[in-house]
Amino acid sequence: EAGVTQSPTHLIKTRGQQATLRCSPISGHTSVYWYQQALGLGLQFLLWYDEGEERNRGNFPPRFSGRQFPNYSSELNVNALELEDSALYLCASVGGTNEQFFGPGTRLTVL
Amino acid sequence: AQSVTQLGSHVSVSEGALVLLRCNYSSSVPPYLFWYVQYPNQGLQLLLKYTTGATLVKGINGFEAEFKKSETSFHLTKPSAHMSDAAEYFCASGGYNKLIFGAGTRLAVHP
Repeated sequence: EAGVTQSPTHLIKTRGQQATLRCSPISGHTSVYWYQQALGLGLQFLLWYDEGEERNRGNFPPRFSGRQFPNYSSELNVNALELEDSALYLCASVGGTNEQFFGPGTRLTVL
Repeated sequence: AQSVTQLGSHVSVSEGALVLLRCNYSSSVPPYLFWYVQYPNQGLQLLLKYTTGATLVKGINGFEAEFKKSETSFHLTKPSAHMSDAAEYFCASGGYNKLIFGAGTRLAVHP
């Protein structure tokens, strides 16, 4: 069974640009979570999507947004990039239990 | 609000020695508790989880944790450290809604 996949592995952008990160959950999982792991700030919850709807949102500005597609894959969009947005972005999916399975992450670098 | 505190950002042990990583949680209701491990440049891998039932939880790679409600703790232990255990460990609380992570403990294992 394939795990959670994320693309791209690395992404380099400049300040003010937009970044799009993608996540494919484990087959059969309908929920996708996004987390930001920034240096010195630990893992912070960003967004939760379930059945195509945004269910919960962490303490992040509106320029962090996303969506979930009918096949349950998800996109995270970060607009007007700032230097402090540089981080590892992790996606996780959940099936019938409370266990979140994590992908390998996308490392976003903002120059 | 839920919070998770990991005591000690860095722990160093000798190979073969006991590993003890501390985690305390705050929650108004009995939480779901998790320990994850993160190897360099990788995502998070679940070591073990506590939901309900037996308070001593056994996980992968010889790790176990004990849920102590009276102490609001969920410390992670392993009787004998191996070089391959060197990684960062995260304690988390929560469930289907989202996970709240501790700041992480970096475990170093020296010969």
